[in-house]
Amino acid sequence: DAGVIQSPRHEVTEMGQEVTLRCKPISGHNSLFWYRQTMMRGLELLIYFNNNVPIDDSGMPEDRFSAKMPNASFSTLKIQPSEPRDSAVYFCASSVEEKLFFGSGTQLSVL
Amino acid sequence: SQQGEEDPQALSIQEGENATMNCSYKTSINNLQWYRQNSGRGLVHLILIRSNEREKHSGRLRVTLDTSKKSSSLLITASRAADTASYFCATEASGTYKYIFGTGTRLKVLA
Repeated sequence: DAGVIQSPRHEVTEMGQEVTLRCKPISGHNSLFWYRQTMMRGLELLIYFNNNVPIDDSGMPEDRFSAKMPNASFSTLKIQPSEPRDSAVYFCASSVEEKLFFGSGTQLSVL
Repeated sequence: SQQGEEDPQALSIQEGENATMNCSYKTSINNLQWYRQNSGRGLVHLILIRSNEREKHSGRLRVTLDTSKKSSSLLITASRAADTASYFCATEASGTYKYIFGTGTRLKVLA
């Protein structure tokens, strides 16, 4: 099993540009989570899906952020337009039996 | 915020010593989990304890849970240099599938 796969591993972009982060969860896992990690705010839950349906997006910071899960094997997190304060590591995690399995994260730098 | 808080924020010990870190949280929970994060990597699940359990063991790990005090502790016995990492507690609030992470403890084990 390859685990949760995130791409890209690193993303450097300029303020105002659109950024799309991708995640492939572990096959058979029915829940998917997007987290953001910064030194100042720690790990923040942005949104989670259950059976491809968004359940709680109360952690999404602004309307600039959106997430989709068109099928059980793929999810995206989009930021449009991006701002320097969005710089962080973004993690995707999928779960089964209450345990979360994390991807390696996307290091996003917005200049 | 439901976010848990951990203490100490940082801990430095000699190889072979025991390491204890604590987690406090704010709301009723279904379970509490501990995760480890090595530098630059995603989080890895260590152990889960349910709200009706008081203590659980897994190898060199021992977790306790006191729901009356809304607190948990993680004990790593006979620490090794490879245990150097950040450790996070995560809680699942009752009635939700949201996993909220604490602020983390940075553990350094000196060889």
